[in-house]
Amino acid sequence: QVQLQESGPGLVKPSQTLSLTCTVSGGSISSGSYYWSWIRQPAGKGLEWIGRIYTSGSTNYNPSLKSRVTISVDTSKNQFSLKLSSVTAADTAVYYCAREDSGSYFFYLDPWGQGTLVTVSS
Amino acid sequence: SSELTQDPAVSVALGQTVRITCQGDSLRSYYASWYQQKPGQAPVLVIYGKNNRPSGIPDRFSGSSSGNTASLTITGAQAEDEADYYCNSRDSSGNHLGVFGGGTKLTVL
Repeated sequence: QVQLQESGPGLVKPSQTLSLTCTVSGGSISSGSYYWSWIRQPAGKGLEWIGRIYTSGSTNYNPSLKSRVTISVDTSKNQFSLKLSSVTAADTAVYYCAREDSGSYFFYLDPWGQGTLVTVSS
Repeated sequence: SSELTQDPAVSVALGQTVRITCQGDSLRSYYASWYQQKPGQAPVLVIYGKNNRPSGIPDRFSGSSSGNTASLTITGAQAEDEADYYCNSRDSSGNHLGVFGGGTKLTVL
């Protein structure tokens, strides 16, 4: 079955750019009509949807993060990536990647990666 | 602030039935999906669509929807069901964005 794994630096300095990659295994990122998503969770808080990408490159972003977020896909590597610029301590969180399946009346995220903690600190 | 509203905490006696609710305008157009999250673990999908359970999810978990409210029901709650539960759906902008509820901490007494 499809599995997702996040990777990237665990520590980022304030004002710099956070960069994470999600590697998809057990299936092609291009197969099916799926979107590929990023979600984050600050310690002790709830889940926040960051954005998603289709393999065509079409993206949707959370309006609260849109000015700082870029999600891209590399189908040759079966990966998709997240870049978040101008980070502050408020961006410290566990970052998850997930596959989105959706239709006219439904939307869900499954499976999820295990998550990776990114700390913003000097 | 979240466009999906959940009660912060709910408790249930072992073996009893509990309903966790999620309210939001977008739920009039979209079914909610529900996720269980235990400490230190990634969320796990438990209900999606009208009332669908992924493989491996016990049948004591069920979902329903009415108007702007979606519900997750656990019939015969077990100790291992103690967790945070999040609902998820589209936002109400029509721009196909995702949104989560604030989460409900379920305690099994």
